[in-house]
Amino acid sequence: ELKVEQNPLFLSMQEGKNYTIYCNYSTTSDRLYWYRQDPGKSLESLFVLLSNGAVKQEGRLMASLDTKARLSTLHITAAVHDLSATYFCAVEDGTSYGKLTFGQGTILTVHP
Amino acid sequence: DGGITQSPKYLFRKEGQNVTLSCEQNLNHDAMYWYRQDPGQGLRLIYYSQIVNDFQKGDIAEGYSVSREKKESFPLTVTSAQKNPTAFYLCASNRQGGEKLFFGSGTQLSVL
Repeated sequence: ELKVEQNPLFLSMQEGKNYTIYCNYSTTSDRLYWYRQDPGKSLESLFVLLSNGAVKQEGRLMASLDTKARLSTLHITAAVHDLSATYFCAVEDGTSYGKLTFGQGTILTVHP
Repeated sequence: DGGITQSPKYLFRKEGQNVTLSCEQNLNHDAMYWYRQDPGQGLRLIYYSQIVNDFQKGDIAEGYSVSREKKESFPLTVTSAQKNPTAFYLCASNRQGGEKLFFGSGTQLSVL
């Protein structure tokens, strides 16, 4: 059974600081996704990582994938308040496209 | 505009009642999915369908039923057998063999 674990689950940051969210998963997969969710809202796709060593960046967020270590990271650079949200990683089951197993989510709060 | 439409936004269920959540997409996607989200947790897969007239159980299918009579529609029925139905329900879709999932805006189901 595929298990996906994120840490930390809660992250309180000051504006301007850097931090990393980690996503570990238990079985082989080459597809990993990062999503953002604002309270009471749906999920917004941030990154799709499709191969070992993949790195993608968008604004202050950068995601990477190490399939050998079964680890993905979401790095936040110089955090701003607008980044406050819940961030989920999700790993695709190798048997079916779109059949994702989600991590528990990391609640990020950025303080002035 | 293309997208996924879920309705209603809020739904209340009486004990012993079946309720149906609607999900319609005009993205011409082959695959559709239903996820359940409980407060402070990640998403769990209920059912998914990769082609019309075919669907598979996800990780938590008990107490739920689906149909896929049309490519654009994938309704979810929460039956009276689901004893703890209060949750946020998200519908998603993607191209067969495609990449990221597109999510609807969600339905919050509560028990009266």
